[in-house]
Amino acid sequence: QTVVTQEPSFSVSPGGTITLTCGLSSGSVSTNYYPSWYRQTPGQAPRTLIYSTNTRSSGVPDRFSGSILGNKAALTITGAQADDESDYYCVLYLGNGIWVFGGGTKLTVL
Amino acid sequence: EVLLVESGGTSVQPGGSLRLSCAASGFTFTTYWMHWVRQAPGKGLVWLSHIQSDGTSSTYADSVKGRFTTSADSARNTLFLQMNSLRAEDSAVYYCARSHRYYGSPFDFWGQGTLVTVSS
Repeated sequence: QTVVTQEPSFSVSPGGTITLTCGLSSGSVSTNYYPSWYRQTPGQAPRTLIYSTNTRSSGVPDRFSGSILGNKAALTITGAQADDESDYYCVLYLGNGIWVFGGGTKLTVL
Repeated sequence: EVLLVESGGTSVQPGGSLRLSCAASGFTFTTYWMHWVRQAPGKGLVWLSHIQSDGTSSTYADSVKGRFTTSADSARNTLFLQMNSLRAEDSAVYYCARSHRYYGSPFDFWGQGTLVTVSS
């Protein structure tokens, strides 16, 4: 069974830059997996940040960017702000109509 | 305005069945794909199922294949999730979400979720 891996938690200082990653338990993530990223605050539905590796969703500031770094998908946040504190999830398309979410990263800004 | 409104969540005993609904409005239902995603309390998101909203094709995560069935009623613009043989680990908030009809599309609109509790 394919597992999508994310860092369980991360912290960043206000104004800092952070890169969250999204990998596979077996193999490398490529653009063919159409990685996308979502953020979720408690009690709310997720919101799209990035899709198809590096396309920002409407209204998402350019402080958020997506890429492939090595064998993983990556979400980079520059100029971190207090309200970036959230849970971040990646999802990969595995083919044959199957998607899998990563376990999520809890980002703390302090 | 795109709206997705889930309903049907409740408390059910292990082994029981439940049908969730997701009423869609503000877009042409049959020209999008629809998905079910769940989130157990304090846990992460889990993709469960996808359907082409004309009902021609559906797919499932291994964890629910054979127990859950996704269907769509295009006349009522409503998505359904029939859940059978429910287990305690199926307790979660269940979200419906929309995507465009290509695999690289994001889940661009989500409902607010409906809570299912499986407990004796």
